[in-house]
Amino acid sequence: NFMLTQPHSVSESPGKTVTISCTRSSGSIASNYVQWYQQRPGSAPTTVIYEDNQRPSGVPDRFSGSIDSSSNSASLTISGLKTEDEADYYCQSYDSSNVVFGGGTKLTVL
Amino acid sequence: EVQLVESGGGLVQPGGSLRLSCAASGFTFSSYWMSWVRQAPGKGLEWVANIKQDGSEKYYVDSVKGRFTISRDNAKNSLYLQMNSLRAEDTAVYYCARDIIPGYSSGYYYWGQGTLVTVSS
Repeated sequence: NFMLTQPHSVSESPGKTVTISCTRSSGSIASNYVQWYQQRPGSAPTTVIYEDNQRPSGVPDRFSGSIDSSSNSASLTISGLKTEDEADYYCQSYDSSNVVFGGGTKLTVL
Repeated sequence: EVQLVESGGGLVQPGGSLRLSCAASGFTFSSYWMSWVRQAPGKGLEWVANIKQDGSEKYYVDSVKGRFTISRDNAKNSLYLQMNSLRAEDTAVYYCARDIIPGYSSGYYYWGQGTLVTVSS
């Protein structure tokens, strides 16, 4: 099994841009799609990016996803930060018989 | 509108059993892989188990193998998780989640609101 490693926390000011990384420990990041989930306090997760860089309907285009094979990592970028973006963000990928989540990143917008 | 509604959570003693249900609506249930994902208090998300559209393939996280059983009833648009030999470390909110595209397991597009399972004496 592989692991996905995320920074524990990030913070940025409203209107700025923040990027959250997700590094795969073994195997290629490009071999399996990466998803990103947002979880606000007291709420269920919601999907903000699927299949590396696709946005579900209703998710603003301020949210974007990418992968970088050179660093074996995926990234979630949120531009034009709003206070409502303050939440925990989880990356997720999979292999033939397992689903793996990153440990989560707490985004503070201050 | 897609809806996933979990039920069956509650307080159970260590060693006890519980059966969770997830009622699905708003999509063709029989076309999608389905999963259970849990979140212990103050912790991150942990995949528990998933099941193929027709129930022919099932996978589990190592910590629940031999204790939990995932199943589905496509006629009732329902997903289940039978949890036996429960331990304190199984205490968590359990979410039902639907995969992204029909016939392929990769990640989740829709999530339920969750049901809380507390294992304590």
